[in-house]
Amino acid sequence: QSALTQPRSVSGSPGQSVTISCTGTSSNVGGYNYVSWYQQHPGKVPKLMIYDVTKRPSGVPARFSGSKSGNTASLTISGLQAEDEADYYCCSYAGSYTFAVFGSGTQVTVL
Amino acid sequence: EVQLVESGGGLVQPGGSLRLSCAASGFTFNNSWMHWVRQAPGKGLVWVSRINIEATSTSYADSVKGRFTISRDNAKNTLYLQMNSLRAEDTAVYYCVRNEHRENYFDYWGQGTLVTVSS
Repeated sequence: QSALTQPRSVSGSPGQSVTISCTGTSSNVGGYNYVSWYQQHPGKVPKLMIYDVTKRPSGVPARFSGSKSGNTASLTISGLQAEDEADYYCCSYAGSYTFAVFGSGTQVTVL
Repeated sequence: EVQLVESGGGLVQPGGSLRLSCAASGFTFNNSWMHWVRQAPGKGLVWVSRINIEATSTSYADSVKGRFTISRDNAKNTLYLQMNSLRAEDTAVYYCVRNEHRENYFDYWGQGTLVTVSS
């Protein structure tokens, strides 16, 4: 399966909100409510931020939220902070064989 | 404390083989599906392979099918990836990743091991 489509970069000032889109197909994003989002700082290991489209793991700030409409999922960071500057990857369950397909990644810059 | 510790990476010539290992601790390994995810230098994350709890079912990305084999030893809490016929495009950091049984997201990641395929 092809990678899910994300914007290459988004930016915002501290305190602003930014939204990252993640577009797939009915075989992945549109077919299941199993979209997750991962944050990766340079040289670091990816960290789970959102799972099952809208759920936040313990310890993830409430300013991170997820949603989905049709074949497109979104991650919104409200009240942007300097430490949110990182790469973000969406990921969708894609069936029992392929299991997962990742997005192309989005670099978030805090101006 | 959850730990996933990969080993076995390194420099290998095109056409060569490597075997990656991932030692797991701090969680119930035999209630976990396990995966390998890779990331080429400066590129994005790519799912590579997965194995179910009993090691009776495996699957692979098309790019590695027929060349890579995933396996696990539940008695040793260890995951493996046998990589054969390596190509330059297999150069990447390989992460050992787990998803809890019946869940569909990756909650624990190892630190990764770098595989470089070059002559």
